[in-house]
Amino acid sequence: SYELTQPPSVSVSPGQTASITCSGDKLGDRYSSWFQQKPGQSPVLVIHQDDKRPSGIPERFSGSNSENTATLTISETQSMDEADYYCQAWDSRSVVFGGGTKLTVL
Amino acid sequence: QVHLVQSGAEVKKPGASVKVSCRASGYTFTGYNMHWVRQAPGQGLEWMGWTNPSSGGTSYAHKFQDRVIMTSDTSINTAYMELNRLRSDDTAIYYCVRLVNTIDDERLDPWGQGTLVTVSS
Repeated sequence: SYELTQPPSVSVSPGQTASITCSGDKLGDRYSSWFQQKPGQSPVLVIHQDDKRPSGIPERFSGSNSENTATLTISETQSMDEADYYCQAWDSRSVVFGGGTKLTVL
Repeated sequence: QVHLVQSGAEVKKPGASVKVSCRASGYTFTGYNMHWVRQAPGQGLEWMGWTNPSSGGTSYAHKFQDRVIMTSDTSINTAYMELNRLRSDDTAIYYCVRLVNTIDDERLDPWGQGTLVTVSS
């Protein structure tokens, strides 16, 4: 079965750029999405189709996907961005999630 | 505005069944597949499957194939996820989420608020 691998944790200083990676075999050949989940809340879509931002998501969130790695980039990171982030892709008709990355802003 | 509202928390004994509902509003219910995802305490997201409210078609993750049934009632714009033969490791928050899948738009959005299912003797 298809697997997506994320680093368990990433730390960033306020105002700096955070990058969270998601690795999978030939991931660049399929669309990737990213979800943000804060404690006690449902996941929220922040990036879909590799680099599209849903309405209401700040411009500091961006995405890319090439070869075997998708990347979520958060520019000028704010304390409110501290959360768990999950990447997602499709494997045939099934949804696959990465294990999640805890982003700490300190 | 698109909204998914789920049923309330459940406590079940091992071996029992649970049925979680997800009421949709703000869009044409039959036009989009509904997916179900669960999250065990302190763990990541785990995809369970989807149902097509229009056709009744389903596709389940292999892990749940023999225990889960996903259905819809189009008269009340509600999707259901029933999980049978519950075990303690089924304790989790269960989410419904709509799939948008058109020529130029593909996304799982929005998510329901989640339903906590606790399995305990």
